[in-house]
Amino acid sequence: QVQLVQSGAEVKKPGASVKVSCKASGYTFTGYYMHWVRQAPGQGLEWMGRINPNSGGTNYAQKFQGRVTMTRDTSISTAYMELSRLRSDDTAVYYCARGLESSSVAGSGWFDPWGQGTLVTVSS
Amino acid sequence: QSVLTQPPSVSEAPRQRVTISCSGSSSNIGNNAVNWYQQLPGKAPKLLIYYDDLLPSGVSDRFSGSKSGTSASLAISGLQSEDEADYYCAAWDDRLNGVVFGGGTKLTVL
Repeated sequence: QVQLVQSGAEVKKPGASVKVSCKASGYTFTGYYMHWVRQAPGQGLEWMGRINPNSGGTNYAQKFQGRVTMTRDTSISTAYMELSRLRSDDTAVYYCARGLESSSVAGSGWFDPWGQGTLVTVSS
Repeated sequence: QSVLTQPPSVSEAPRQRVTISCSGSSSNIGNNAVNWYQQLPGKAPKLLIYYDDLLPSGVSDRFSGSKSGTSASLAISGLQSEDEADYYCAAWDDRLNGVVFGGGTKLTVL
C-alpha cells in the first residue's frame, strides 16, 4: 500500500536548522509531487511548499522563502524538508503528503496519503 | 487569518445532519477544485472529499461535498460519535501559486 514514513521527533535551539525526511513506498516516487504541511500546537494546517521528485523543481509558500529547502533522493525514494533559522513559533508537527502526478500542469490541494508527522520543538 | 474561511466549530446530535462551509475567492475555490480533510485527535489528516464532490475509496457515503461559485460545503449525515474531528478545506490558489487551507472546523457530536 502507498505509505509515507517520516523521521522522528527533533528538539532544536533557536537559530538552528532541522531536516525532516519522508520515505515513500508502494508507488513510483518520481511520479507524484511531494508537499510539506505544518501544524502548530492547537492550530490549523499551513502549506509550506512542494517538490517535483522527477525534476527536483520546487515552489515554496512566500512565508517560508529563503528559509526552507526541499530536496529528494530518488535512489531511496525519500523527500527532505530543511528549515533554517528556527524560531520558537516554528514549533509544530511537520507532515509530508503525496500530491498529484508530477506531470500535472495545474496545482492542486489534493493530498493522499499523509505521513505520520514529525514533531519539531524549538526551545532554548 | 486563513485564506479560506470556515466556521471554527459546529455541533449536532447523533443521527442528524451537519454542514460545514468553506468560503474563498475567484483565485482559489472559484477556479480550482476543493478537497476536504478529516483530522481525528492526535492523527494525521486524511483525504475525505476530492475534486469538490468525489469520495475516495473506503470513505463512508455519509460524507458528501458540493461547490457553488467561490464557496464549498461538506455535509455529514447520520452523525456518529466517531465523526468528532477537525475538518479542513483546501484548494490551489492561482494568485498565491500555492495551496491554501481553511482554518478548520471542530465537529462535536452532542
